[in-house]
Amino acid sequence: LAKTTQPISMDSYEGQEVNITCSHNNIATNDYITWYQQFPSQGPRFIIQGYKTKVTNEVASLFIPADRKSSTLSLPRVSLSDTAVYYCLVPIYNQGGKLIFGQGTELSVKP
Amino acid sequence: DSGVTQTPKHLITATGQRVTLRCSPRSGDLSVYWYQQSLDQGLQFLIQYYNGEERAKGNILERFSAQQFPDLHSELNLSSLELGDSALYFCASSLSSGGSTDTQYFGPGTRLTVL
Repeated sequence: LAKTTQPISMDSYEGQEVNITCSHNNIATNDYITWYQQFPSQGPRFIIQGYKTKVTNEVASLFIPADRKSSTLSLPRVSLSDTAVYYCLVPIYNQGGKLIFGQGTELSVKP
Repeated sequence: DSGVTQTPKHLITATGQRVTLRCSPRSGDLSVYWYQQSLDQGLQFLIQYYNGEERAKGNILERFSAQQFPDLHSELNLSSLELGDSALYFCASSLSSGGSTDTQYFGPGTRLTVL
């Protein structure tokens, strides 16, 4: 049963790099890891997805070690507008293989 | 803009009433998902439809029902409303039937207030 664990909250300051780590000890062999961002009163927004090693896009980087039991979302040089909740997702197979949202990590960026 | 539209944006109603929330998926997407998010709570998966058929069910109450029409838009019906049903209701769509690579795109949500 795949399940994710991530910190409930994190604080940072503008300009810093933020790393949010998620553990998913029971991830299935073929599953990808997906991260979403949610601002208050808005729907979640897809940030990045990866299977192994490193994935980078214009918003973030995703680092996945060889054992794939964890992943780290890296946000370079955060700004106040990066204050949001960040969700790490893997499929939960007792829920039909759906991406079930957990509690997420509430990131607060301060000036 | 995700391409997913939801109407109405806000809905205020009384206990015991029935409401219908509407969702239009992104062009080309075959799956529609419904989620409920209460104040300070996480996203609760309610139900998924794929190409008109129910695909997966989550924590959806018996008072709630949904359907997906031939044009792929979906409606979520909430009946016998209670105060605790006040929440943000999100619709999401994806290209395929689900799975770890089937990215979900979320709409702006409908805020339901039950008085």
